[in-house]
Amino acid sequence: GAVVSQHPSWVICKSGTSVKIECRSLDFQATTMFWYRQFPKQSLMLMATSNEGSKATYEQGVEKDKFLINHASLTLSTLTVTSAHPEDSSFYICSARVAPDQPQHFGDGTRLSIL
Amino acid sequence: AQSVTQLDSQVPVFEEAPVELRCNYSSSVSVYLFWYVQYPNQGLQLLLKYLSGSTLVKGINGFEAEFNKSQTSFHLRKPSVHISDTAEYFCAVTPYNTNAGKSTFGDGTTLTVKP
Repeated sequence: GAVVSQHPSWVICKSGTSVKIECRSLDFQATTMFWYRQFPKQSLMLMATSNEGSKATYEQGVEKDKFLINHASLTLSTLTVTSAHPEDSSFYICSARVAPDQPQHFGDGTRLSIL
Repeated sequence: AQSVTQLDSQVPVFEEAPVELRCNYSSSVSVYLFWYVQYPNQGLQLLLKYLSGSTLVKGINGFEAEFNKSQTSFHLRKPSVHISDTAEYFCAVTPYNTNAGKSTFGDGTTLTVKP
C-alpha cells in the first residue's frame, strides 16, 4: 500500500530555534500534500495545502513566515517551523494524495516540544 | 463549504459487542467520503472510502459503512469489536472538483473497547 514517511517523529528543542519536518511519499507520486496540526484530544487542523512546484496555500490564521512549506518534488514536502516558541508545541501530521477521489495517506506525525 | 459532524465524541463498548460510529455531513456539492482510524501517537490510516456505486462499503479490520444520501450520513459499523479496535476514528469528506479537493474532518470519536 501507499506509504508516507514523516521525520523526525519526535523533536525537543530550545525556544528560538528552527525545526524542519520532512514528509516523503515512498511508493507513489503525490500531486498534493497537506500539513495538519493536531492538539490533544482534538481533530486535525489543516495548516496548508501544497502542490509540487507551486507555492503552498495557507489556511486563514496560519502564519506563512512562521510555517514555511516547500514541495520540491512529487515525493517530498517539508515544513519548517521558524523561530519556534513553546506555543508551537504540538503534533504535526502530513499527508499525501494522488487525486481528490483518492484517500490521503498519512505520515506517523511529528511531536514537537519547544522548551 | 462542507461540514462533518460526528455525533458521539466517546463510545465505550464491551469486547465482541457490535458498534456504530455515526457521521453526518453537509455539503452544497457532491463529496467523497472516508473513515480513518488513528492509534495513539500515530498518523491516520484509511479504513474505507465511498466514491460511488454500492452504498455499502467494506473496509479493513472488519469495518463497513453505509452511505445514505437522503440523510447525508455515513455511519461506520463493526459487528464484533476487539480490544485492538480501541482508537480515535475520524470521518472525512472531500468535495468533487472544488476548493482544491481539501478534505473536511469531523472532530473524531474515541472508541474504547473494554474486556
